[in-house]
Amino acid sequence: EDQVTQSPEALRLQEGESSSLNCSYTVSGLRGLFWYRQDPGKGPEFLFTLYSAGEEKEKERLKATLTKKESFLHITAPKPEDSATYLCAVHIYNNNDMRFGAGTRLTVKP
Amino acid sequence: SQTIHQWPATLVQPVGSPLSLECTVEGTSNPNLYWYRQAAGRGLQLLFYSVGIGQISSEVPQNLSASRPQDRQFILSSKKLLLSDSGFYLCAWSRDRGSIAYNEQFFGPGTRLTVL
Repeated sequence: EDQVTQSPEALRLQEGESSSLNCSYTVSGLRGLFWYRQDPGKGPEFLFTLYSAGEEKEKERLKATLTKKESFLHITAPKPEDSATYLCAVHIYNNNDMRFGAGTRLTVKP
Repeated sequence: SQTIHQWPATLVQPVGSPLSLECTVEGTSNPNLYWYRQAAGRGLQLLFYSVGIGQISSEVPQNLSASRPQDRQFILSSKKLLLSDSGFYLCAWSRDRGSIAYNEQFFGPGTRLTVL
């Protein structure tokens, strides 16, 4: 069965403490992997799309990478305003569904 | 630029009452449109998607229905709400590139529905 698993469920960092969030997937055929940021009570905000293994995308303190089995969202020197839930989603071949992971809730303390 | 609106922002309804949530998109034409539900601590679940006016596909059997009366308007409805319909409802759009899949989706602000 197609699955998307994000880890850890929650992550607490000190300001400036770099770390990575993981999104692992077991799907029959990946057409694209997407990262979103979601603040409490709001809709997800699009961050990145990755299409093939080895691809990397960067935006400010965030960098997303993709392998054949997982994606990482690296956060370098995070700030308190980076606190949010980060969602990963995959599009699958022959499927109109975008399958979402449960998210990683990131808290950055000053 | 494109914007997506949802209303109402919050809604409290009794069990058995009807529901109508509205979503509109501005700044684009012929978008693909989606309705998702997000339960607390869980991932988003796709409920319906639409590639055009009057064209609705349902991903899961449920107590809800969707309609697309205009190109940039998407409505989520129910005749009789259940307790289990409570949740955060999100509308999203993506560009029409000839396929539902393979497109990044952009989300609206959401509607928090509480059924009592």
